[in-house]
This record gives sequence, structure tokens and C-alpha cells, in this order.
Amino acid sequence: DAKTTQPTSMDCAEGRAANLPCNHSTISGNEYVYWYRQIHSQGPQYIIHGLKNNETNEMASLIITEDRKSSTLILPHATLRDTAVYYCIVRRVNTGTASKLTFGTGTRLQVTL
Amino acid sequence: SAVISQKPSRDICQRGTSLTIQCQVDSQVTMMFWYRQQPGQSLTLIATANQGSEATYESGFVIDKFPISRPNLTFSTLTVSNMSPEDSSIYLCSVAGGFRLQETQYFGPGTRLLVL
Repeated sequence: DAKTTQPTSMDCAEGRAANLPCNHSTISGNEYVYWYRQIHSQGPQYIIHGLKNNETNEMASLIITEDRKSSTLILPHATLRDTAVYYCIVRRVNTGTASKLTFGTGTRLQVTL
Repeated sequence: SAVISQKPSRDICQRGTSLTIQCQVDSQVTMMFWYRQQPGQSLTLIATANQGSEATYESGFVIDKFPISRPNLTFSTLTVSNMSPEDSSIYLCSVAGGFRLQETQYFGPGTRLLVL
């Protein structure tokens, strides 16, 4: 699976949009971009994933560049409860048993008043 | 998504003892995984729990230290054997596959282990 690069930490004011970038310049055509977050001492929470089209759900939006070498996770109105470590993971799907996730160090998002 | 529970949620153990962690999911799933998260670190995959056969271990992890069972499609156990303080970590179960989950992986709440 391709490697990802994320900033170590970011701050965001409550109520503002949080834009978390991720670089995955070696991504292959059959690899998806997944985002998870981990709130302190809890299990990682699935947020969203996409292949090449932009995706939106009740939690966030995922914007993937046309060349698929980078993406941005957008939390439209950040709250204090969104303070967490956010992981961007590139992963092949439709691989049968080879569906493990490889976690990097992620981005620590701090939402402030 | 899926409802995943782990037991115990936390434990404090003495070195040299063993602890078995249980993972239960509320629907049948194809894949079950066990991860470890050492203090201040990211998650590392220990093994894939295979139903009806031996688990598949990642490099650096062995069956004698982390025996795994998966008797059916909704349940798995991980044992941390002959524990030392270096085994103090959060142990996480995750699941994927099946009609409800497709290929997205979902995580349990974790088991926090402290070895003295």
C-alpha cells in the first residue's frame, strides 16, 4: 500500500472548517484513500473513504485531487469533540484477505474555543 | 457499521502471567484483526484472525506470545502470554467484510493493559 504524509499537528477554531491535508503521491489506481480518527484512548473511528470522486457523509467531506496524489479531509464546522488524531490511509480493496490497514503517525487536530 | 465489544476494557497484570482478551461483534464478518498501540505510538497490526484455521501473524509477532482463536464469524480472542512491562499497551480488535460492513474496517473500544 502507498505511503502517506500528513502534518504532525493542526489547530482549528471551534465553528470553523478544519481542512486536513494528506499526500499520497505513490498511490496506485486500485488504492482507496481512507480516513479514521482516534479520540484520546478510544478505538479508531471510521470517517470516510474514496477512490477518485469527492465524497461527503454526515461527518465530513473528502476532496481528492484529479491526479489522486493528495487529498483533504474537511470537517465543515469543527467542535471541541473533533479534537483527535486523524489518520489518512491508502489501502487496496477487493484483495480478499489482504485488507489490513497500515497506520502512520497521523495529524493531531486541536479544536480551540 | 458494527457494534464491537471487547472484554476486559482494562486490566492490570503481573509479569509472567497471561491475559486473554475477547472480541465480540454483532454480525457475521469475514475478517477480524488484532492491533496493538503502545503508549504514545500509532497502531500496529499483530495478526489476522482466520475462522477455522491458524491466525496470520505480522513480522515481529509470534503465535507463542500472542495465540489467537476465532471459533466462528462473530468472536475472537487474543492472549498475551508470559507478560512483561513492555506488553503494556492498548489492544484493539477490528472487523471487516460481510454484507453490512463490506471492506471498511471498524474498531472495537480497545483493552488497556498495564503490566507491572
